[in-house]
Amino acid sequence: DAGVIQSPRHEVTEMGQEVTLRCKPISGHNSLFWYRQTMMRGLELLIYFNNNVPIDDSGMPEDRFSAKMPNASFSTLKIQPSEPRDSAVYFCASSLYWEPQHFGDGTRLSIL
Amino acid sequence: AQTVTQSQPEMSVQEAETVTLSCTYDTSENNYYLFWYKQPPSRQMILVIRQEAYKQQNATENRFSVNFQKAAKSFSLKISDSQLGDTAMYFCAFMKSGGTSYGKLTFGQGTILTVHP
Repeated sequence: DAGVIQSPRHEVTEMGQEVTLRCKPISGHNSLFWYRQTMMRGLELLIYFNNNVPIDDSGMPEDRFSAKMPNASFSTLKIQPSEPRDSAVYFCASSLYWEPQHFGDGTRLSIL
Repeated sequence: AQTVTQSQPEMSVQEAETVTLSCTYDTSENNYYLFWYKQPPSRQMILVIRQEAYKQQNATENRFSVNFQKAAKSFSLKISDSQLGDTAMYFCAFMKSGGTSYGKLTFGQGTILTVHP
């Protein structure tokens, strides 16, 4: 079975540009999570969805960040406009109820 | 709200030796799950082991085992016969069971484990 698929794997862009990260969860999973990982702040939960509905977005750092899950097989995390301090590795994970989360390989984002 | 604390930022061990990583948590919940995840330099997040709070028996997965002390809210990971491939950041995580929302993990800060040849 395919795991959680994230794209792109790496993204380098200039400050002020819009960035869109994509995630395809494991088929049949009903929860999806977006995380950000940096050396300074560790692993942070940004937002999560149950059955495509956002449950908790309190981890989203600013209004520049937004996430959508239009259907059970796709989610996006958008940053507009991007800033250098947004540089990090962004992970998507999915799970089924209280089963363990499965993580994608992450997107390494660099904002110049 | 739940908190998870890993008090050892870094640990090291010689190949073939045994090492124990510590984790404590704070919760008022009675039903929950605990996990250990491993993140090697390749940055993948890999599930190592899972423990259900209602089970008294400690979980074991090959060379990995846990010491779950519910009353003390402690959940340590023991790695036996350490291998070079065990070098990674290890995260302890808590998941509340039941309720109207599900699946959310609360992670500890992580422990970097280095296995030396």
